[in-house]
Amino acid sequence: AQKVTQAQTEISVVEKEDVTLDCVYETRDTTYYLFWYKQPPSGELVFLIRRNSFDEQNEISGRYSWNFQKSTSSFNFTITASQVVDSAVYFCALSEFGLASGSRLTFGEGTQLTVNP
Amino acid sequence: NAGVTQTPKFQVLKTGQSMTLQCAQDMNHEYMSWYRQDPGMGLRLIHYSVGAGITDQGEVPNGYNVSRSTTEDFPLRLLSAAPSQTSVYFCASSSSYTEAFFGQGTRLTVV
Repeated sequence: AQKVTQAQTEISVVEKEDVTLDCVYETRDTTYYLFWYKQPPSGELVFLIRRNSFDEQNEISGRYSWNFQKSTSSFNFTITASQVVDSAVYFCALSEFGLASGSRLTFGEGTQLTVNP
Repeated sequence: NAGVTQTPKFQVLKTGQSMTLQCAQDMNHEYMSWYRQDPGMGLRLIHYSVGAGITDQGEVPNGYNVSRSTTEDFPLRLLSAAPSQTSVYFCASSSSYTEAFFGQGTRLTVV
């Protein structure tokens, strides 16, 4: 069975600090997808990134970056120079079903990030 | 482009009542899913569908029914509501090559 663990329940930082959100996953499949979603206080789920199991390249998008390491089954998310608007719950998720990448997701428990001014 | 639309946004039920949460998508996605979100537990899969006429159970299916008569719609039925079903419910849709797109959620309280 697949599992996603986000060990950090809550993180609090001061604006402009860098922060890394950890995600560790378990799966028996060789083909899978990993995702990060953001849930701001308004409650909707905002897609941030999708990574497939064959692509271990790190990715940077503005202040966001992701580090995927198959050797440690981790897919960590770093926010550089955090801002108050980054305050949200962040979810890491795993899909084992090959091309049907978004159809059945296993979510971690989420990390509540609070960025203080 | 509306994306994934869930109705209602809020609902209060009495124990034992039944109701249907509606979900519609206009992206012609073949895959649709229902999740529930409870504090400290992330989102958990209730039921999913890989196409019209095909549904299957997820991690927490008990107390819920689904059907998929069209590509666009995937309603979730609570047969006899229980306080343990108090939660936020999210519907999602996706295609073979996309991420999951989520609706705005339905906050359900069972008293």
